[in-house]
Amino acid sequence: DAGITQSPRHKVTETGTPVTLRCHQTENHRYMYWYRQDPGHGLRLIHYSYGVKDTDKGEVSDGYSVSRSKTEDFLLTLESATSSQTSVYFCAISETAYTTGSSSEAFFGQGTRLTVV
Amino acid sequence: ILNVEQSPQSLHVQEGDSTNFTCSFPSSNFYALHWYRWETAKSPEALFVMTLNGDEKKKGRISATLNTKEGYSYLYIKGSQPEDSATYLCAFMGTGNQFYFGTGTSLTVIP
Repeated sequence: DAGITQSPRHKVTETGTPVTLRCHQTENHRYMYWYRQDPGHGLRLIHYSYGVKDTDKGEVSDGYSVSRSKTEDFLLTLESATSSQTSVYFCAISETAYTTGSSSEAFFGQGTRLTVV
Repeated sequence: ILNVEQSPQSLHVQEGDSTNFTCSFPSSNFYALHWYRWETAKSPEALFVMTLNGDEKKKGRISATLNTKEGYSYLYIKGSQPEDSATYLCAFMGTGNQFYFGTGTSLTVIP
């Protein structure tokens, strides 16, 4: 199994509080992604990173920020949690790089179930 | 927002039946198409990565084809077994290194 862990695995928080989810990898993969999974929507990309301190927005980035200060860690922060951010969050890693002509599979963490009450 | 569509949304088949699903994606700025298998309470796991028009991949009873010019991929399962029950996701990768997933096809194989 790819070395990718998410923490916490479950969290309940109150509306308006900040929340940070952590994704840690031991594979030294360059690309890291945060997705949210909601019924009827599948996996939607929130933010992704293509290197240390290099990040970009995905399709549902509003209300989320990310940081990557080390290759192995990718943090997702909800600045002020809302009930609409109740979801299951998945981190993924990949070595895929269009610019180098290679495409490899994405490996996923076990997911974090976040409930905002 | 990039549109990746999968059909059908769900499928119930009898054990031993063969089945197939479709993934539609933009035909422009294509780089790769991935298929993943996602079992309940687990994480998605890759089945195939395809990059070339006309690619065909096979793993046991499961195979996939790719048509990048018209923007579709098929996943086939021959002789479905109960352990094949899962959600099957496709993911489009364009030239921006982002994976865009479809909403998946949920397969239930009835013993």
